[in-house]
Amino acid sequence: EIVMTQSPATLSVSPGERATLSCRASQSVSSNLAWYQQKPGQAPRLLIYGASTRATGIPARFSGSGSGTEFTLTISSLQSEDFAVYYCQQYNNWPTFGQGTKVEIK
Amino acid sequence: QVQLQESGPGLVKPSETLSLTCTVSGGSISSYYWSWIRQPPGKGLEWIGYIYYSGSTNYNPSLKSRVTISVDTSKNQFSLKLSSVTAADTAVYYCAGVEQWLVDYWGQGTLVTVSS
Repeated sequence: EIVMTQSPATLSVSPGERATLSCRASQSVSSNLAWYQQKPGQAPRLLIYGASTRATGIPARFSGSGSGTEFTLTISSLQSEDFAVYYCQQYNNWPTFGQGTKVEIK
Repeated sequence: QVQLQESGPGLVKPSETLSLTCTVSGGSISSYYWSWIRQPPGKGLEWIGYIYYSGSTNYNPSLKSRVTISVDTSKNQFSLKLSSVTAADTAVYYCAGVEQWLVDYWGQGTLVTVSS
């Protein structure tokens, strides 16, 4: 099983600031990496796939980068609706998720 | 727009079998791979398995011995059975429509608690 490790566990950011979230894979997953956003009481929503391609309807302030074992999700200017938990998911082998990064208001 | 709705008991006794059904509306059940994903309270997500409308399945190796996913195309439904449950199986269970391992559609999720 490929283990996905996300850091930090919690990120405190002020509205309008940039947020940078990291995800590391225990072995190479090529570019088979997705990011999801989950708000309290809701199902996750796909944001990014292929490490860097935004899903339909996702604002341009969300961007993804990386390949192999190191990946980053950047939110360029945090809006109030962006405070949530973010999960990375690899799908190079049997899909596994990271434990999540909670982005909270500073 | 595809919509998914989970149904089934919210409480299951230890050692018994958890059974859930997902009803697909607004789209054809032949269009996606249909999956079950779970999330223990306060924890991350775990992919349980998937089924294609043809009936072909693939399960998480860590759960394979206890999981059965089936499909009923006439009812636009697919189902999950998880046997010999313990407290560790307490989670919100999501049904999902998946394409190339990416979840395009999620059900609202249903909390299943394992307790006597």
